[in-house]
Amino acid sequence: AQKITQTQPGMFVQEKEAVTLDCTYDTSDQSYGLFWYKQPSSGEMIFLIYQGSYDEQNATEGRYSLNFQKARKSANLVISASQLGDSAMYFCALEIGGTSYGKLTFGQGTILTVHP
Amino acid sequence: EPEVTQTPSHQVTQMGQEVILRCVPISNHLYFYWYRQILGQKVEFLVSFYNNEISEKSEIFDDQFSVERPDGSNFTLKIRSTKLEDSAMYFCASSELEGTEAFFGQGTRLTVV
Repeated sequence: AQKITQTQPGMFVQEKEAVTLDCTYDTSDQSYGLFWYKQPSSGEMIFLIYQGSYDEQNATEGRYSLNFQKARKSANLVISASQLGDSAMYFCALEIGGTSYGKLTFGQGTILTVHP
Repeated sequence: EPEVTQTPSHQVTQMGQEVILRCVPISNHLYFYWYRQILGQKVEFLVSFYNNEISEKSEIFDDQFSVERPDGSNFTLKIRSTKLEDSAMYFCASSELEGTEAFFGQGTRLTVV
């Protein structure tokens, strides 16, 4: 069975600094994808970044980058130059390839608070 | 920018009543999903839908749940006889292809009283 773990219930960061949100996963499948979503207090789920298990380069999307360490089974999200609007809940999610496309298994989430 | 739209944003219903949650996925997407998030907990997969049939469902998706794509644009989740523990935020999502990112709607907050 797949498992995904976010060990940081809450994180604090100063505006304009970088922050890393941890995510580890466990799967025996070779083909999988890792996603990060942001959930502001308004409740919607916003897709941030995706990393495929066969991607050799770490994914980047603007201020978001994914530090993918396959051997350690970790997929940490790095937010550079934090902004007040980054304050939200962040979820890491795992998707197994093959017949389970689209079935995301989410972690427990990390609440990020950006201080001015 | 195309987006997934869910209606209503908030629904209150009495225990035992049927509810239908509605979603309009992004128009060129082929894969559709429902997730739920009980308050303060993580997001949980309910069901995936492709080519007018269920692709996969979780153990949460029991006989009281059903999904339907009644026309070319809507995707619905029906809960036949709601229970108090069905109170949650329900998210619809869609993706263009297998293995691509799923885009979520803004959610429907269901409160069963």
